[in-house]
Parts: sequence; structure tokens; C-alpha cells
Amino acid sequence: NAGVTQTPKFQVLKTGQSMTLQCAQDMNHEYMSWYRQDPGMGLRLIHYSVGAGITDQGEVPNGYNVSRSTTEDFPLRLLSAAPSQTSVYFCASSLTSGPRSYGYTFGSGTRLTVV
Amino acid sequence: GIQVEQSPPDLILQEGANSTLRCNFSDSVNNLQWFHQNPWGQLINLFYIPSGTKQNGRLSATTVATERYSLLYISSSQTTDSGVYFCAVEPRKTSYDKVIFGPGTSLSVIP
Repeated sequence: NAGVTQTPKFQVLKTGQSMTLQCAQDMNHEYMSWYRQDPGMGLRLIHYSVGAGITDQGEVPNGYNVSRSTTEDFPLRLLSAAPSQTSVYFCASSLTSGPRSYGYTFGSGTRLTVV
Repeated sequence: GIQVEQSPPDLILQEGANSTLRCNFSDSVNNLQWFHQNPWGQLINLFYIPSGTKQNGRLSATTVATERYSLLYISSSQTTDSGVYFCAVEPRKTSYDKVIFGPGTSLSVIP
């Protein structure tokens, strides 16, 4: 089925460990983004990309890196996990951005716990 | 940056009742979306509605961009409508691309 695929669905890390959350879409969408969702705080934008090779920071980028080497994939890297990064992470994509955007498709999320 | 507010924060409805959810934003936007997050955490795009009115079954949405608000109408509510409803906007004054979410309205529909 076409859509946004996130892996893993669940992950437990120890403080200081690194890991990569994977996000892939097969809809040939230009625009991809990562959000984190914490209780009572809605969704906050971490990083986003408007196409292969182009990324930029969102509202809460510290502690995270991204790259976009292909249109399909947009991995999110935690360099040195901290308990404050315990959250649910969502990847989203859309055909494009700006006034001609047609809306987001979200992945199913990754629930990350840092102990 | 742009501020996005949603009201009410929480809402409890009897099945069959109607409701209106509101999203206010503090600056001009390129587009606006409404999402439903179900109790299992899945986020579903309901409407892409930068202006005007759209309808999809029992749901409809209206955005008045010049007055900086959008409304989501739910008619004849069902228990499956329970969850959190978010609006999300892309501010016009930033470069494209930063889609900012409101805090959400938590809806519980009871039988």
C-alpha cells in the first residue's frame, strides 16, 4: 500500500546511545518532515526537507540530525539520546509545500523511550 | 512566530450531537489542514482547506483566511469520532514549509 512507513514502531534506548528512526514514502512526495508529540504539547516540528539534498530546522531541532539523499527516504538520527527525547515521533510527507500543497500523509509513529 | 489556538481544549458529546471546533491563527497562512488522531495514535488528514468550505460526509470545514480562523463541524457524532483534532498551518511570512500545529481539541463521544 502506498503511504509513509516508519520503523521501528517501538524502541527503548539507554542514555547516550545513538539510533536512527527510518521514514520512507513511495508517493514521490517532495516534502517530508519529522514531528515529535509529547503529552499536552501537540506536535512540534523537528526538521523538514523540501527535496533530495535540502533540509532545514524546525521548532525543536537540537539533538537531532537529518539527511535526504533520496526522494523516498528521510531518516532522523539521535546522536546521543537523552531522557528528554522520550516521545512519539511522526514522519509526514506531502506532494509539495507552500500554496500548492495538498496536505500531509503521516506515518504510524515511533514510540521512543530513553532510560 | 505564528500562534495557533484551538478551542475548546476538551469536549464531551452524547452520541448523535453536533459540535463545532475552532482554530485561530495569528498571522497569514499559505494553507491550513485539519487532522484527527484516533485513540490508537494514528493521524488522519481530514481536510486541506486554505480558504472556503469543504464537506466530507458528516464533517465539514470552513476557513476564513482574512479573519484568521477555521471551523470544523461534526454532525451526528459517533463514538468513532473520539480522539484529538488538530489544525495545522503553514505561515505565509516564513519561507515555505514550516507547518505548525495547534494544541488540539480532545473529543470524547459517549454512547
